[in-house]
Amino acid sequence: EVQLVESGGGLVQPGGSLRLSCAASEFTFSNYWMNWVRQAPGKGLEWVANIDPDGSAKYYVDSVRGRFTISRDNANNSLFLQMSSLRAEDTAVYYCVRAPEMGTVDYWGQGTLVAVSS
Amino acid sequence: DVVMTQSPLPLPVTLGQPASISCRSSQSLVYSDGNTYLNWFQQRPGQSPRRLIYKVSKRDSGVPDRFSGSGSGTDFTLKISRVEAEDVGVYYCMQGTHWPWTFGQGTKVEIQ
Repeated sequence: EVQLVESGGGLVQPGGSLRLSCAASEFTFSNYWMNWVRQAPGKGLEWVANIDPDGSAKYYVDSVRGRFTISRDNANNSLFLQMSSLRAEDTAVYYCVRAPEMGTVDYWGQGTLVAVSS
Repeated sequence: DVVMTQSPLPLPVTLGQPASISCRSSQSLVYSDGNTYLNWFQQRPGQSPRRLIYKVSKRDSGVPDRFSGSGSGTDFTLKISRVEAEDVGVYYCMQGTHWPWTFGQGTKVEIQ
C-alpha cells in the first residue's frame, strides 16, 4: 500500500521559516508528480505546489510563490517544502499528495500541522 | 483561477435515501486532450481526504458503487444512491484542468 508520511510541522513565529518533509514508500517515487495541499483549521482544501518527477518543473499557488520552495530527493524517496516569511494565514495542515496522472491526485499523507503565531 | 462552486454546502440526509451534490466551474474543464479533469474527494471526520471519482465518472477501486459521478463542461454532480452512516463527512470537487488546481468549498453531509 502506498505510504506518505509528513513531518516537520510545528509552531513558528510570523516571518519565520520551516521545512516540511514527506517520506514516500511502496511505489516508484521517481515516476510521479508530487504535490503539497493544505487545509486551514476548519476550512477547505488548497493546492499549494507541485513538482515533476525529475524536479525540473515546479508550480505554486500565487499566495506562496516566492516564499515557498518545493523540492525532492528521488534517491531517498522524499519530498520537501521549504517555507519562509511565514504568515498567520499559512497556518494549516499540510498534506503530501501523489499525482498518478494528469489532472488528479490519489494518495494523501496524514498531514503535518503548521501553526504561525507569536 | 478557476472557481469551483458546490451546492448545497450543508447537506442533511436520511439513511437509505439518495443524495446529490452539485459542482460548477467558472470555466470549461475540457482539456485540449479531450479529457475532463474533474475529481471528487471524501473527507471523513479526523481523516485525510480520499479520492472517490476522477475524470468525472471513473470510480476508484474500493469505492462502493452507490457513489457515481456525472456531468460535462462546467456542470458536475456526485450522487449517492442510498446514504449509509459511513458516508458522513465533507465532499470536495477538484478541477485538474487549469493551473492552479482548485477545490470547491466542500459539502458537509450529515445524517438528519
